[in-house]
Amino acid sequence: GENVEQHPSTLSVQEGDSAVIKCTYSDSASNYFPWYKQELGKGPQLIIDIRSNVGEKKDQRIAVTLNKTAKHFSLHITETQPEDSAVYFCAAGGQGAQKLVFGQGTRLTINP
Amino acid sequence: DAGVIQSPRHEVTEMGQEVTLRCKPISGHDYLFWYRQTMMRGLELLIYFNNNVPIDDSGMPEDRFSAKMPNASFSTLKIQPSEPRDSAVYFCASREAGRINEKLFFGSGTQLSVL
Repeated sequence: GENVEQHPSTLSVQEGDSAVIKCTYSDSASNYFPWYKQELGKGPQLIIDIRSNVGEKKDQRIAVTLNKTAKHFSLHITETQPEDSAVYFCAAGGQGAQKLVFGQGTRLTINP
Repeated sequence: DAGVIQSPRHEVTEMGQEVTLRCKPISGHDYLFWYRQTMMRGLELLIYFNNNVPIDDSGMPEDRFSAKMPNASFSTLKIQPSEPRDSAVYFCASREAGRINEKLFFGSGTQLSVL
């Protein structure tokens, strides 16, 4: 089955700097890669996703890149703000598979 | 829509007791998922339903766990008997039918503590 590895487990950056979180997956059949943000006391919330027919996707300050050959994808947050502090999860899912496999999560802290 | 609604928000119980967690998915969503979140194992899928029918329960850890979805607007996750290692945050999520692996909408979770 699918296995998703996420790094780093914790990340601390200065406000205004960029943050990058990386994930690798094992199943070459996976073709859907979402990123979820979890704030304290809340459930995860989708912030961006990418499908395997696209190499990069942007939405304002966040972007995701995908390298299918290497089986890795990354989340990039630019011009970080205090409200970006949260736990971020990557996930991978395959065609016909209704379930997602999540990475272990990255606790991002933005220092003022 | 109020989103996915879970109850209770917090549950503290003693080992051996029965625990029932409840979930109301977003109206019109055909898929319902139960996840468990722990520090050690992260977010794990326990079971998911499509149109009220359990499709994959391979993530259910033991026979002590059971889940039901008697209608489109209600699901329960039951643990009987509960054990301290069941302590975790349990999330319910729902999504629309149609596209594969489309956006999941999570509830706020139930924090379960088994003493």
